[in-house]
Amino acid sequence: NFMLTQPHSVSESPGKTVTISCTRSSGSIASNYVQWYQQRPGSAPTTVIYEDNQRPSGVPDRFSGSIDSSSNSASLTISGLKTEDEADYYCQSYDSSNRVVFGGGTKLTVL
Amino acid sequence: EVQLVESGGGLVKPGGSLRLSCAASGFTFSSYSMNWVRQAPGKGLEWVSSISSSSSYIYYADSVKGRFTISRDNAKNSLYLQMNSLRAEDTAVYYCARDPGFLEWLGSFDYWGQGTLVTVSS
Repeated sequence: NFMLTQPHSVSESPGKTVTISCTRSSGSIASNYVQWYQQRPGSAPTTVIYEDNQRPSGVPDRFSGSIDSSSNSASLTISGLKTEDEADYYCQSYDSSNRVVFGGGTKLTVL
Repeated sequence: EVQLVESGGGLVKPGGSLRLSCAASGFTFSSYSMNWVRQAPGKGLEWVSSISSSSSYIYYADSVKGRFTISRDNAKNSLYLQMNSLRAEDTAVYYCARDPGFLEWLGSFDYWGQGTLVTVSS
């Protein structure tokens, strides 16, 4: 099995751009799709990116996802930050045994 | 509109059992794999278990294997999680979540319920 490692927290000012990384410990990041979920306090998670870089309908194009094989990591980039983007963000993938793996989560503060 | 509504959470003593339910509506339940994901207080998300649309394939996290059993009743549009030999570390909000794959497992989640809290304490 592998782990997905995220920074514990990031912060940035409104209007700026922030990138949250998600590094896979073993095996290629490109082997299995990566998803990103946003979770606001007291609420269930919602999908902001699926299949590495696809945005569900209703998610603003300020949210984008990518993978980088050289660093074996996935990234979630949020541009034009708004205070409403303040939340916890989780990356997620799965292994060859169909077991789901979540990253530890990143708390985004927009200040 | 897709809706997932969990129930069955509550306070249980260590070693006890509890059965969670998830009532699904707004989609063809029998065509989608379903999952349980939990979140301990103040902690991150942890996948618990997955079941394919016809119950042919079932997967568990190592932390619950042998103690928890996932099942579904497609006639009742319902998903279940039977939890036995509960431990303090099983205390969490348990979410029911749908896999977006139609008659296939994609290993992700597109719809989530609001969760039900399970507290294991003496």
